[in-house]
Amino acid sequence: QQQVKQSPQSLIVQKGGISIINCAYENTAFDYFPWYQQFPGKGPALLIAIRPDVSEKKEGRFTISFNKSAKQFSLHIMDSQPGDSATYFCAASRETSGSRLTFGEGTQLTVNP
Amino acid sequence: DSGVTQTPKHLITATGQRVTLRCSPRSGDLSVYWYQQSLDQGLQFLIQYYNGEERAKGNILERFSAQQFPDLHSELNLSSLELGDSALYFCASSVKWGNTEAFFGQGTRLTVV
Repeated sequence: QQQVKQSPQSLIVQKGGISIINCAYENTAFDYFPWYQQFPGKGPALLIAIRPDVSEKKEGRFTISFNKSAKQFSLHIMDSQPGDSATYFCAASRETSGSRLTFGEGTQLTVNP
Repeated sequence: DSGVTQTPKHLITATGQRVTLRCSPRSGDLSVYWYQQSLDQGLQFLIQYYNGEERAKGNILERFSAQQFPDLHSELNLSSLELGDSALYFCASSVKWGNTEAFFGQGTRLTVV
């Protein structure tokens, strides 16, 4: 059972545009929601993370919006750059499970120059 | 560089064979996780260790096993390999139990021919 659903599967954005990736989760016990960025040939790397006690977290050009009642969260990349081209994974975990992550399916982002 | 070291980077082996993948976590990290990344299944959690003890199993086949040694490095053993086992295998580590950043290695690409 896929507990975290991610969309879109792929996304093409022009340089300077806004990239938006959405995720929905099922398990209300999840209490930590990170986003990971993966470049070809590399392992996933933490980009930004949020806990359900806040509705938004911003770090530079990256913002997570979190809607607890809808069980949805999204990643916004402002002023997207060609260097942002990568695969993005949303994930979820719960305190009692350590840092074990349930991942979404991934979104391949391409930012055209 | 995440500080998590995985060896080997690439492995090509025949069906029916057995291989061992090795992971050295970041210095001081007590938790180790193994994930499998394939094109059709995305990133799937396999197994989790904390300070030498197995803590959780995910979608890990009975043909697969793992262990974490006293020096905290971990090995993932894959036996009776099938073509469908071809995938990227990632190790991740985190410093403590609970929702905290997990650092991923660069992965081992396994090809079963």
